[in-house]
Amino acid sequence: DAGITQSPRHKVTETGTPVTLRCHQTENHRYMYWYRQDPGHGLRLIHYSYGVKDTDKGEVSDGYSVSRSKTEDFLLTLESATSSQTSVYFCASSALSVAGVRNEQFFGPGTRLTVL
Amino acid sequence: GENVEQHPSTLSVQEGDSAVIKCTYSDSASNYFPWYKQELGKRPQLIIDIRSNVGEKKDQRIAVTLNKTAKHFSLHITETQPEDSAVYFCAASFGGRDDKIIFGKGTRLHILP
Repeated sequence: DAGITQSPRHKVTETGTPVTLRCHQTENHRYMYWYRQDPGHGLRLIHYSYGVKDTDKGEVSDGYSVSRSKTEDFLLTLESATSSQTSVYFCASSALSVAGVRNEQFFGPGTRLTVL
Repeated sequence: GENVEQHPSTLSVQEGDSAVIKCTYSDSASNYFPWYKQELGKRPQLIIDIRSNVGEKKDQRIAVTLNKTAKHFSLHITETQPEDSAVYFCAASFGGRDDKIIFGKGTRLHILP
């Protein structure tokens, strides 16, 4: 668990303000992900990264942007937070093996974001 | 579109009985199917996974089966124990690549004493 961390762990903000969540991993994993978890919706993919500066959209990318300037860091930004973005945000990372046998995602502890 | 359907959303079984959770996926190119367990207040953790070239995989009391033709896969837990109580998520890779993983909505499993 110590290999992937998220900051902050809790945040309360107001509608319309920008918010940035940080994910940091020390495993040198190539792939990183941002999910949001809401009751009744499970884990929904927001954006993911398949390398430094390489990112792609997930299921619910509207209103979110990401950046990955270093292997170990993956930032999620809410440009103008809305109440519908109140959620628990999980970051994850993974490293495909050469044979691609297993792609286990290791999750961070989560960030609880409340937008008032 | 990219979709993973998971059923049931809630499942209660008597301790010692078996539990089965079923998922379907929409992309015929999906080739990687992991299952994650999330205990209350904790992060999801991988419990078992299967690739499209395998029809069944077993790890102690947990097994996963895959039917590529029907595009569905299932998690089987035998001899359930209290510590099996958790939310279970199925997932599938999409777009013909392993790195894009979409999750189902989860099944809350209750083990009754």
